[in-house]
Amino acid sequence: AQTVTQSQPEMSVQEAETVTLSCTYDTSESDYYLFWYKQPPSRQMILVIRQEAYKQQNATENRFSVNFQKAAKSFSLKISDSQLGDAAMYFCAYQPWDGGATNKLIFGTGTLLAVQP
Amino acid sequence: ETGVTQTPRHLVMGMTNKKSLKCEQHLGHNAMYWYKQSAKKPLELMFVYNFKEQTENNSVPSRFSPECPNSSHLFLHLHTLQPEDSALYLCASSPRDDQPQHFGDGTRLSIL
Repeated sequence: AQTVTQSQPEMSVQEAETVTLSCTYDTSESDYYLFWYKQPPSRQMILVIRQEAYKQQNATENRFSVNFQKAAKSFSLKISDSQLGDAAMYFCAYQPWDGGATNKLIFGTGTLLAVQP
Repeated sequence: ETGVTQTPRHLVMGMTNKKSLKCEQHLGHNAMYWYKQSAKKPLELMFVYNFKEQTENNSVPSRFSPECPNSSHLFLHLHTLQPEDSALYLCASSPRDDQPQHFGDGTRLSIL
């Protein structure tokens, strides 16, 4: 069974600094997607970044970038120039790709990020 | 405006009550999902609907009954719930299977 592990329950970063959130996953599949979602106190789950496993190039979205290590099954999120609005719970998620039968997201337990002014 | 609207935002009910959660998406998506989010646990997928047909039931107890009358609406009917069912229930939708899911703000459910 596929699993997603986030080993850091809480992290803290100073405003304008850089922080990296860790995520590892376990799967025997070769084709899949990985995501980072952000959940602020408003509760809405917001997609931050998406990575296709077949792509070697790391995904980047403005101040957010990932370090995707397929062999190590690692998918960390780097937030540069941290802002107060980045404070939230961050979830790593895995989605198998089985030809379109289902779109099943498997989530980690989350990392609570605090941003200090 | 997220494009996925959930009502009510909060719900408190007794174990013998019957209530329903509603989810509506305005994005033209074809797939809809129910998730349960409990404290200190990963989000748990409950149900998946593709083109109004249920394609996934993740061993959810029968006291939770989903309904998808059309591609834009998804309900979760609740009856005879237990205290451990208290959680945040999130609805999501996606255009198709390989596209990211868009989430609503959730319904915070408390069982007395």
